[in-house]
Amino acid sequence: SQQGEEDPQALSIQEGENATMNCSYKTSINNLQWYRQNSGRGLVHLILIRSNEREKHSGRLRVTLDTSKKSSSLLITASRAADTASYFCATDSLVIFGKGTRLHILP
Amino acid sequence: ETGVTQTPRHLVMGMTNKKSLKCEQHLGHNAMYWYKQSAKKPLELMFVYNFKEQTENNSVPSRFSPECPNSSHLFLHLHTLQPEDSALYLCASSQEPLGSEAFFGQGTRLTVV
Repeated sequence: SQQGEEDPQALSIQEGENATMNCSYKTSINNLQWYRQNSGRGLVHLILIRSNEREKHSGRLRVTLDTSKKSSSLLITASRAADTASYFCATDSLVIFGKGTRLHILP
Repeated sequence: ETGVTQTPRHLVMGMTNKKSLKCEQHLGHNAMYWYKQSAKKPLELMFVYNFKEQTENNSVPSRFSPECPNSSHLFLHLHTLQPEDSALYLCASSQEPLGSEAFFGQGTRLTVV
């Protein structure tokens, strides 16, 4: 079954540093999406990358996709305290999300 | 605000109670979803509705009963739940079923006592 698995499970960095998290999946996809979730709240869509794209940017976010390795990465540049959240990847089926990466930005 | 509203935000219910969760979207989307998020577990898709028709039922116990009277409203009826059903229940909608950007509600925090 399609599955997104993020790593690391948790990441703590200083404010201003860049944060990178990765996602792996198992089957063919049409697109892959990244979401953010603040504690106990709903998920917010960040970015969608299609299977024929290798890289996509949105503000301080940069997503890459390697379909040969079935993996994607999310880079957040110049991190801010407000970036503290859990980040999830989801394949286009939206059936299964990973457990997420908990990102904590230290002041 | 994402355009998807869930009520109530918090719910405490006994195992013999019957309650309903409500989700409403004003985005003109055709697909709506229920997810369950338990502590330290991946987000689990429960049900998918496309144009008011249920298209996915991810082996959900019958004590959870969804209802989609129109494409803007989605309910989750709960009865004789178990303590392990305590979780954050999230509703989402998208333009197309499975495959396009999903917009999530803020969730209902359910505690079964």
